Amino acid sequence: DGGITQSPKYLFRKEGQNVTLSCEQNLNHDAMYWYRQDPGQGLRLIYYSQIVNDFQKGDIAEGYSVSREKKESFPLTVTSAQKNPTAFYLCASSPGPNNSPLHFGNGTRLTVT
Amino acid sequence: KNQVEQSPQSLIILEGKNCTLQCNYTVSPFSNLRWYKQDTGRGPVSLTIMTFSENTKSNGRYTATLDADTKQSSLHITASQLSDSASYICVVTLSNSGYALNFGKGTSLLVTP
Repeated sequence: DGGITQSPKYLFRKEGQNVTLSCEQNLNHDAMYWYRQDPGQGLRLIYYSQIVNDFQKGDIAEGYSVSREKKESFPLTVTSAQKNPTAFYLCASSPGPNNSPLHFGNGTRLTVT
Repeated sequence: KNQVEQSPQSLIILEGKNCTLQCNYTVSPFSNLRWYKQDTGRGPVSLTIMTFSENTKSNGRYTATLDADTKQSSLHITASQLSDSASYICVVTLSNSGYALNFGKGTSLLVTP
């Protein structure tokens, strides 16, 4: 079955440590996205990538980094510079912009203590 | 300021009843409006996508309407089921900026027996 796989589902880290969240898709989609979801708030865009080896900052990119070395993969690193990293992180992909629906993974819940 | 407002914030209905969720937006220029369903701890799943020229779109028991003049959309759920318990998210896309999605905070629906 085609889809988006995020791993792990739950992640715990100590403050000051970098952590990388995995996102893999087998939908052959060009575009991939990372969103952050906090209670009572709408999804906020961290980074997106339209094609391999290219990515753009979203609304809240500070303290995060990404890479897009392969079409299928778009890992997100939460660095120690992110002041409030505890959140639910969602990865998504789409064939392209505009009227294409987003296909979401099932998220990674990151807790930093 | 969030440009997509959803109401009510939460809703409880009895199984078998109908309900309507509201979405008002100020995003302009408008490209399309999407409704997503998000089960707890999972990624959102697309229900409908409507462009400027469409005023209604159905997906099974879900019917979305769009009034582009008043910038309002609604999601009507018919004959609710326990599995409809979820958060419903309205998303508006800016025209000519397909990667810029504006997410509402969602309406949390609980269907009780």
